[in-house]
Amino acid sequence: ELKVEQNPLFLSMQEGKNYTIYCNYSTTSDRLYWYRQDPGKSLESLFVLLSNGAVKQEGRLMASLDTKARLSTLHITAAVHDLSATYFCAVDQGAQKLVFGQGTRLTINP
Amino acid sequence: EAGVAQSPRYKIIEKRQSVAFWCNPISGHATLYWYQQILGQGPKLLIQFQNNGVVDDSQLPKDRFSAERLKGVDSTLKIQPAKLEDSAVYLCASSLGQRTGLYEQYFGPGTRLTVT
Repeated sequence: ELKVEQNPLFLSMQEGKNYTIYCNYSTTSDRLYWYRQDPGKSLESLFVLLSNGAVKQEGRLMASLDTKARLSTLHITAAVHDLSATYFCAVDQGAQKLVFGQGTRLTINP
Repeated sequence: EAGVAQSPRYKIIEKRQSVAFWCNPISGHATLYWYQQILGQGPKLLIQFQNNGVVDDSQLPKDRFSAERLKGVDSTLKIQPAKLEDSAVYLCASSLGQRTGLYEQYFGPGTRLTVT
């Protein structure tokens, strides 16, 4: 059974700082997704990572995938308050069936 | 392009009552998913449809939950009878599907169910 673990689960940081969220998974997969969820809202797709070594960047967020290590990272550069949200990684266990991590609740303080 | 639509947005019922949720996916999306998201957790897949056929319902509590996707478009998810532990947000998502090689799932706004 595929297990997906994120850490940290809670992250409070100051504006302007850099930080990384980690997503580990237990069985082989070559497709991983990152989503953002604001309080009371649905999930917004951030990145789709389709192969080993994939790196994608959008604004202050950069995601990477290492399928050999079964690890994905979401790096935040020079954080701003608007990035406060809960971030989920989700791993495709086959046939488009996603298993989500527990989520990382990110709070960025002025 | 219109997104995934869901209704109702909120529902409060008493335990042992029944409830139904509706989902209209993005036009042309062959694959439809229902997820359950309990407060503080990630979404958990309940059922996956490809067109109007069930691909995976291994995590659907079939003694009380049922879902259908008639004509391969809209879908309904029903709970009968509801239990307190069914309180959650029920998310519908859709994707173009395997045939296109485009797997990204797009989520609707969700239905927040409270069982008292």
